[in-house]
Amino acid sequence: DAKTTQPPSMDCAEGRAANLPCNHSTISGNEYVYWYRQIHSQGPQYIIHGLKNNETNEMASLIITEDRKSSTLILPHATLRDTAVYYCIVRRQAAGNKLTFGGGTRVLVKP
Amino acid sequence: DAGVIQSPRHEVTEMGQEVTLRCKPISGHDYLFWYRQTMMRGLELLIYFNNNVPIDDSGMPEDRFSAKMPNASFSTLKIQPSEPRDSAVYFCASSLSSGGNTIYFGEGSWLTVV
Repeated sequence: DAKTTQPPSMDCAEGRAANLPCNHSTISGNEYVYWYRQIHSQGPQYIIHGLKNNETNEMASLIITEDRKSSTLILPHATLRDTAVYYCIVRRQAAGNKLTFGGGTRVLVKP
Repeated sequence: DAGVIQSPRHEVTEMGQEVTLRCKPISGHDYLFWYRQTMMRGLELLIYFNNNVPIDDSGMPEDRFSAKMPNASFSTLKIQPSEPRDSAVYFCASSLSSGGNTIYFGEGSWLTVV
């Protein structure tokens, strides 16, 4: 699976959009971009995933560049409860493919 | 729907004792994963099962660790004998191969070996 690069940390203001970048320049055509987050003392939580089209769900939006070498996770209105470590992971969707976690981005939402 | 259920949530044990961590995957899921998280190594995969059969145990640190899945709704991770360096959070996760393969995690078992 391709590796990803994320900033180690970022702050954002409560109520504002949080834009979390991720680089995955070696991504293959059959690899998806997954985002998970881990709130302190909890298990990793699935947020969203996509292949090449932008995706949106009740938690976030995922914007993938046309060349698929980078993506951005958008939390539209960050709340204090969004403070967490966010992981961008590239993974083939085939059955049994594991998730390989990197260091993630530690996001602190400030009031 | 109930998520992945793990027990115990917290365990403190003495070095040399046997530790058994338990996991109930999401009903109907056919893949089960065991991960370990430490400050030094982050989240790392230990072993995973498909239809109760171990597929890849290359992440199991040593022979003191063993994992079983006797049926589709239960798995155990056993450490015998335990050592202080086994102190970590152990996560169980599951996925459905016909459902997009998204992996869902439990809340973890916090293990401290003293």
